Amino acid sequence: KAGVTQTPRYLIKTRGQQVTLSCSPISGHRSVSWYQQTPGQGLQFLFEYFSETQRNKGNFPGRFSGRQFSNSRSEMNVSTLELGDSALYLCASSSSVEETQYFGPGTRLLVL
Amino acid sequence: DQQVKQNSPSLSVQEGRISILNCDYTNSMFDYFLWYKKYPAEGPTFLISISSIKDKNEDGRFTVFLNKSAKHLSLHIVPSQPGDSAVYFCAASAHTGNQFYFGTGTSLTVIP
Repeated sequence: KAGVTQTPRYLIKTRGQQVTLSCSPISGHRSVSWYQQTPGQGLQFLFEYFSETQRNKGNFPGRFSGRQFSNSRSEMNVSTLELGDSALYLCASSSSVEETQYFGPGTRLLVL
Repeated sequence: DQQVKQNSPSLSVQEGRISILNCDYTNSMFDYFLWYKKYPAEGPTFLISISSIKDKNEDGRFTVFLNKSAKHLSLHIVPSQPGDSAVYFCAASAHTGNQFYFGTGTSLTVIP
């Protein structure tokens, strides 16, 4: 079974731009969660989608948004990028959110 | 509000000895716990899990212990190998919730 894939793997943007990251979950998994990892901060939860519905959202500003499609693929969007948005963005999929989450390789975003 | 804490940012252990990584949590509703291992530039890899109905779970060289009264879990790696050098994250969730909470990670170095 193929694992979780994320595209692109690396991205460089400038302040004020917007960015869209993509995540394809493991086949059959309907829950997709997004996390931001910065040095010393661990993994900060962004949001979780299940069957195209956002069920939970972390403590991030409205500039961070996401969506999930009917095939369970998910995208997250960050608008009006700030320098502090530079991070590794990880998505994880599971059959349901209570079950073990399996992570993709992440997208490394650098905002200049 | 950090509901899952890993108070040791780093740990060094000699090859062949035991590595013990600790994790504390504050939310008594948490009933499912995971450990992940993460290499640089990769997504976290699931290692081992434990539910609150158990106090121990073993998988090869990895054993997780759960002390619910102390709200504490630990990961034991025996014997430690140089390839175990990575950052280890613990995570917790409540069955009624929609997200996992992650600690800030412990960087393990196994010295040959």
